[in-house]
Amino acid sequence: AQSVTQLDSQVPVFEEAPVELRCNYSSSVSVYLFWYVQYPNQGLQLLLKYLSGSTLVKGINGFEAEFNKSQTSFHLRKPSVHISDTAEYFCAVSEPNQGGKLIFGQGTELSVKP
Amino acid sequence: AAGVIQSPRHLIKEKRETATLKCYPIPRHDTVYWYQQGPGQDPQFLISFYEKMQSDKGSIPDRFSAQQFSDYHSELNMSSLELGDSALYFCASSFKGGVYNEQFFGPGTRLTVL
Repeated sequence: AQSVTQLDSQVPVFEEAPVELRCNYSSSVSVYLFWYVQYPNQGLQLLLKYLSGSTLVKGINGFEAEFNKSQTSFHLRKPSVHISDTAEYFCAVSEPNQGGKLIFGQGTELSVKP
Repeated sequence: AAGVIQSPRHLIKEKRETATLKCYPIPRHDTVYWYQQGPGQDPQFLISFYEKMQSDKGSIPDRFSAQQFSDYHSELNMSSLELGDSALYFCASSFKGGVYNEQFFGPGTRLTVL
């Protein structure tokens, strides 16, 4: 069964510093990959997605992620974070032609300090 | 732009009571997904519907049932509620066309079972 591992449950970082949130998935078959952000008491917002093509994907709010098939990873990066980036970030995967359900990782709490 | 609507936003129930959560997808979306997010946990897929038929089933307890109606809205019925059912319940909708069907999430219904 498909699984997603987010290696860091909490990532504290100072404002304007770079950040990387790590995500690994288990499948050896083709998958779609996603990063979602969840602000306190809110729903899930799609940051970016990888379906195919270029392995570097750019999303909203200055985030980007790189798909690495050999390492089955999809790490999220931002070169300079803001206080407003403080939130929970979820990596998710779905398999093409499998109904579209999303399998989520455990989440990484990004805390940006002034 | 119209978004996914969920009602109610908050619900408080006693143990062994029943609850009904409603989801109104984005207009012209034909697929609905339900996810459960326990406190401090990642969202878990429960069930999905496409064109009013169940399309996939995840870790949904037998005490729960769901359906999608002719206007594409969906309802999640939960009976014999347990304390462990306290969670944030998300609905997402998509349009099943093309290579990939992006899921748009609603704000969630926060269920508290006392």
